This record gives sequence, structure tokens and C-alpha cells, in this order.
Amino acid sequence: DVKVTQSSRYLVKRTGEKVFLECVQDMDHENMFWYRQDPGLGLRLIYFSYDVKMKEKGDIPEGYSVSREKKERFSLILESASTNQTSMYLCASSLVGLAGSHEQFFGPGTRLTVL
Amino acid sequence: GQSLEQPSEVTAVEGAIVQINCTYQTSGFYGLSWYQQHDGGAPTFLSYNALDGLEETGRFSSFLSRSDSYGYLLLQELQMKDSASYFCAVSRIGAAGNKLTFGGGTRVLVKP
Repeated sequence: DVKVTQSSRYLVKRTGEKVFLECVQDMDHENMFWYRQDPGLGLRLIYFSYDVKMKEKGDIPEGYSVSREKKERFSLILESASTNQTSMYLCASSLVGLAGSHEQFFGPGTRLTVL
Repeated sequence: GQSLEQPSEVTAVEGAIVQINCTYQTSGFYGLSWYQQHDGGAPTFLSYNALDGLEETGRFSSFLSRSDSYGYLLLQELQMKDSASYFCAVSRIGAAGNKLTFGGGTRVLVKP
């Protein structure tokens, strides 16, 4: 079974703090993704990575950065947390290529609250 | 830009059939996926259509019409455990890899 794990289920931070969310997958997937999920808005892509040290902006990258130093690990960084970044953050991974990239495997999510 | 539209909520009784429609506007379209998410859980993959037509997986079926930019997920013989949110997602071909764009989700409530 593909397993995607995230470092925390719940996180509470203060405005202005630097926040690190970590994600690890154990299936040797090339692609990794970070989404945020808000009611009625579905899942919105923040950043994705298709290889180690490679990253691409998604639809809502402002206020976020990412790091992928190892294939299995993809980190999301909030440089200076703000209250509008309170959300559920979901990490996902998939194979690369048209044949497999439509099936993404998700972690359990991190519910981040910024006070 | 990209946009996907699906109903926000559907209610049905056990044993019934529910159809969740999804219309999309996107560039670089490759296929349409469906995901299920129970409250408090992670989204899980249900089905994928790259070609026009119907794909059946047990009680769930998914349909795609590329010419109409439209697809649907059909849930048959509804069970209480099918109460969840269902998301359609388009696969887009990009220069840096393939990405999914998700719709806002349809909350399905199954009543006894």
C-alpha cells in the first residue's frame, strides 16, 4: 500500500511565525504535491515537484515556499504565517507520466490554525 | 484559466441512484478523475476517464464527453457508507508535469 504521511494532524501557530509542514511518501513516486482545502473551494494546488530539487508553482503559491531535498520528502514552508493561511493542508504523491499521474495518493492532512 | 463546476450537495436514500455532474473549462485537458473524501479523511481515487464513454467499477461508474466538456459520476445502490464528498478533477498536461485541478466538491448525504 502506498503510504503518505504528514508530520502533524493539528498545528496551532501565531501570526508571523515560520511554519514547516512535512510530507513523506514510501512508494518512490516522482511527483509530490501540496494542496490547501477550504470549504466550497475544493483542493487548490499550492506547489508541486516532479523531481528532487525541482518545483513548480501551482495555482495559489503566494505566501508559501517548498523544499524537496530527497525524493521521498516534500516540505511546505509558510515564511510568515497569516490568519488567512488557516486551512487544511494536504500532501499527495503520484507516478510521473500520463499513465499514472491522474491517481494521486493523499496524506491524512494537517489542520493548521494561525492565531 | 481553469474552472470546474459540480453541485454542492445531493441527498438521497439508501438503495437509490445518484448522478454527480461535472462541467469543466481548461486548457491542456487530458482526462477526468473522481475522488471520494469522507469527513476527516483523505481524498481517495475512485475512477478516471481519458476517453469518451462509461467506465464501470462496481457500484460506481464514471462518464466523459470530451466534446461537451462534461462528465459524471454515477453512484448506484447507495449505501450509508457512501455519505462523503466527491470531487471531480481534470488532468492537465503541463510543461513541468501533469497536474490535477479539482472542483469544489459535492457532498452526498445518504439517508436511511
